[in-house]
Amino acid sequence: GAGVSQSPSNKVTEKGKDVELRCDPISGHTALYWYRQSLGQGLEFLIYFQGNSAPDKSGLPSDRFSAERTGGSVSTLTIQRTQQEDSAVYLCASSLRDPGQPQHFGDGTRLSIL
Amino acid sequence: KQEVTQIPAALSVPEGENLVLNCSFTDSAIYNLQWFRQDPGKGLTSLLLIQSSQREQTSGRLNASLDKSSGRSTLYIAASQPGDSATYLCALPSGGSYIPTFGRGTSLIVHP
Repeated sequence: GAGVSQSPSNKVTEKGKDVELRCDPISGHTALYWYRQSLGQGLEFLIYFQGNSAPDKSGLPSDRFSAERTGGSVSTLTIQRTQQEDSAVYLCASSLRDPGQPQHFGDGTRLSIL
Repeated sequence: KQEVTQIPAALSVPEGENLVLNCSFTDSAIYNLQWFRQDPGKGLTSLLLIQSSQREQTSGRLNASLDKSSGRSTLYIAASQPGDSATYLCALPSGGSYIPTFGRGTSLIVHP
């Protein structure tokens, strides 16, 4: 597809379970970003990839959160032992390498922890 | 640390009005500034991107300006329509970081 694709669009799971969220960036975009948007809050930066490496992981809230990117394309965000406070919309964006290029967002994954 | 403020937080106007949404920032060492709209349950859609060296960008009924010296950007929406109803966010990478800082957004409702 032409845009950033995220799956699943919705995920409901029980507290304590692990979840995996997927992001397919726009073809050719080397930069990839994960954000979290909680109800009534702004966008919270989680992690940034340039190619397959993550030069900035400063936003990951705890060691339960991890992310990887393979082949310079698809990225997965994994949350282990989910907690209720992890409930949020997780958004992925991609852009060309240059920081002057615009970010393009997917529609997000709405995660609900019961 | 960059701080981004958007005023007003919410706005409700009748159709046809011209609108100004404001975005202010504390660190003027920015790469660019991007305006987005977000519809309920959706991701962000890029509207306009102003490079650091530019003063404004226009797309259709939208015009965005940038004044780095005063730490401000404005998004002007001409002849507003109900379809413009959404949350509008500004975002800017700065301070040597590729990571943009986002404002909390302005929630706009345009009623017929």
